[in-house]
Amino acid sequence: AQSVTQPDIHITVSEGASLELRCNYSYGATPYLFWYVQSPGQGLQLLLKYFSGDTLVQGIKGFEAEFKRSQSSFNLRKPSVHWSDAAEYFCAVGAESNYQLIWGAGTKLIIKP
Amino acid sequence: ETGVTQTPRHLVMGMTNKKSLKCEQHLGHNAMYWYKQSAKKPLELMFVYNFKEQTENNSVPSRFSPECPNSSHLFLHLHTLQPEDSALYLCASSRRLAGNNEQFFGPGTRLTVL
Repeated sequence: AQSVTQPDIHITVSEGASLELRCNYSYGATPYLFWYVQSPGQGLQLLLKYFSGDTLVQGIKGFEAEFKRSQSSFNLRKPSVHWSDAAEYFCAVGAESNYQLIWGAGTKLIIKP
Repeated sequence: ETGVTQTPRHLVMGMTNKKSLKCEQHLGHNAMYWYKQSAKKPLELMFVYNFKEQTENNSVPSRFSPECPNSSHLFLHLHTLQPEDSALYLCASSRRLAGNNEQFFGPGTRLTVL
């Protein structure tokens, strides 16, 4: 079955510390991978996406993600978080032939001052 | 207005009420989506429209009725809802209906059913 797993419901990180949010997927076709962020009271905004090529992709707001096919993972990273990064982060998987994205349940990022 | 807008932002309704949610996209996109977002659950795709034609209805109860009069506007008509329908309802749009197209989201309507 197709699925996306974000193992961490909540993560708490100190401001200035590094961040890694995990995403694992199970998908039959070659995946298109996305990370979206949802700030409080807002809709979802695309951070970055991976379709093909270089497995390390750069996104907005200083985020990057690495696609590891052997581990079926697409983890999101940031070297130094800011208080404004407090939000909920969603991983999603799609395919050229299927417009329906499979979504993870989200990881809520809490920033400690 | 830019992007995707949704009105109202908050809605409280009784189980016997009829109300409508409105979504408008100012991006010139051809595909529009309704999602339901509940706490700690993945987004649930409800309906999809492509060039005003409905292409997906993910087994959504008939108390939810979508309408897409043109490629820029999308409505969700609500009637005789249940308390478990309380959630954040998100509208999204994309240039094309394809898995590699970025979806642009509105801020959502927070619905509470009493």
